[in-house]
Amino acid sequence: DIQMTQSPSSLPASLGDRVTITCRASQDIGNYLRWFQQKPGKSPRLMIYGATNLAAGVPSRFSGSRSGSDYSLTINSLESEDMAIYYCLQHNEYPLTFGSGTKLEIK
Amino acid sequence: VQLVESGGGLVQPGKSLKLSCSASGFTFSSYGMHWIRQAPGKGLDWVAYISSSSGTVYADAVKGRFTISRDNAKNTLYLQLNSLKSEDTAIYYCARSQGGGAPGYWGQGVMVTVSS
Repeated sequence: DIQMTQSPSSLPASLGDRVTITCRASQDIGNYLRWFQQKPGKSPRLMIYGATNLAAGVPSRFSGSRSGSDYSLTINSLESEDMAIYYCLQHNEYPLTFGSGTKLEIK
Repeated sequence: VQLVESGGGLVQPGKSLKLSCSASGFTFSSYGMHWIRQAPGKGLDWVAYISSSSGTVYADAVKGRFTISRDNAKNTLYLQLNSLKSEDTAIYYCARSQGGGAPGYWGQGVMVTVSS
C-alpha cells in the first residue's frame, strides 16, 4: 500500500499568516493527489485535485504544488474560516490512502 | 449533488448492518461511488469502491466482511457490514467520484457503533 506521510500534525498559526502542509508519498503517485478540508462535525470538502488544481468554489488563497514525491497545500493570508483539519489523499492506486491529517488552529 | 446516508446504529460484535446512501442531483448510474469511514477522533480511512459498471474494490481490513453494491433504479448505494468488530466503529461516509474516480462530493455520514 502507498503510505502518505503528512506533516505537521498540528499547526498553530495567526490570522493573515501563510501556512504550508506537506504530504510525502512512499511511491510514485504522479499527480493523483487531492486535498480535503474537514471542519468539526462536518464531512470533508474537496479543496485541491490533480495536486495543483483548485476545486470549484475554493478561495484563491488556497494552492497546491508538487516537488517530486512531496505535495504541499499552501494557504495565503489565513482567515478564521480556514481553521480545520486538512487531509491529503492519493488515488493513484487502490487501496486509496489518506494522510494522517493536519489540524490548523489559531495561535 | 446530494448524498444522504442512513442505516447506522448500535450493533453487537459479530452482527450485521446495512448502510444506504440515497443520491440525487446527478445521474447516479454514471458515477463510481466510495465508502469512507472515520473512527471517533481519528483520520479518514477508505473502505470500498464500486464503479459505474459495478466493479468493486475493498480495503484489506473489510475484505470478505463488507459488501458494496448499488441499485441504479433506486439511485442508492449500499454497504453490507457483516461480522462486525469493535474497530469498525466509525462514521461512514458515502462519496461520489469526481474527475477520475477519486472521491469528490461527500454525504453527511452515518454513525456505526459496534459494542456489546
